[in-house]
Amino acid sequence: GDSVTQTEGQVALSEEDFLTIHCNYSASGYPTLFWYVQYPGEGPQLLFRASRDKEKGSSRGFEATYDKGTTSFHLRKASVQESDSAVYYCALSPDSNYQLIWGSGTKLIIKP
Amino acid sequence: DPKIIQKPKYLVAVTGSEKILICEQYLGHNAMYWYRQSAKKPLEFMFSYSYQKLMDNQTASSRFQPQSSKKNHLDLQITALKPDDSATYFCASSQDSGAGAETLYFGSGTRLTVL
Repeated sequence: GDSVTQTEGQVALSEEDFLTIHCNYSASGYPTLFWYVQYPGEGPQLLFRASRDKEKGSSRGFEATYDKGTTSFHLRKASVQESDSAVYYCALSPDSNYQLIWGSGTKLIIKP
Repeated sequence: DPKIIQKPKYLVAVTGSEKILICEQYLGHNAMYWYRQSAKKPLEFMFSYSYQKLMDNQTASSRFQPQSSKKNHLDLQITALKPDDSATYFCASSQDSGAGAETLYFGSGTRLTVL
């Protein structure tokens, strides 16, 4: 079945560090890929999405590129801030099914 | 102003009791969902509704019953509560629930603790 794998359960960085959170997926065809962010005490909210191979999604300094060859959609940010502390979820919407499939989430901790 | 209102924000219940979680959305969306979040399962899909009709149910237990009195309401009734039901329950909505990639909009959740 379709799946999303986030390998890092938690990432701890200092301000201005470079961030990478890995997301790999397994799905047939061309699923739509998402990154959602969840701040403490809130529900997840969409960061951005991408629907085609090589498409780059971006928002608030975060970006990810849809790579069908490596089945990846890694989240990156050049310089993190304390306000980026949150849980980040990678998700996919399969071709023929509207139901989102979620990764296990990565908690980002930014040390001031 | 929050566009998806969930009530209450916190809820404490005793084992065996029944509770109703309230959700209203003011985004004009046609599809609504319930998700559960706990330490065991970060985000677990429970139900989806479209135009007040049940589209998908991934909840094994019949103790969980969604109730839709209006298009923009989707409450969740939980009966015979168990400590394992303790979690944060999120309501979400999307414009439609057809095939394709709908962006979900989440409420801020109801944190349920069952003693």
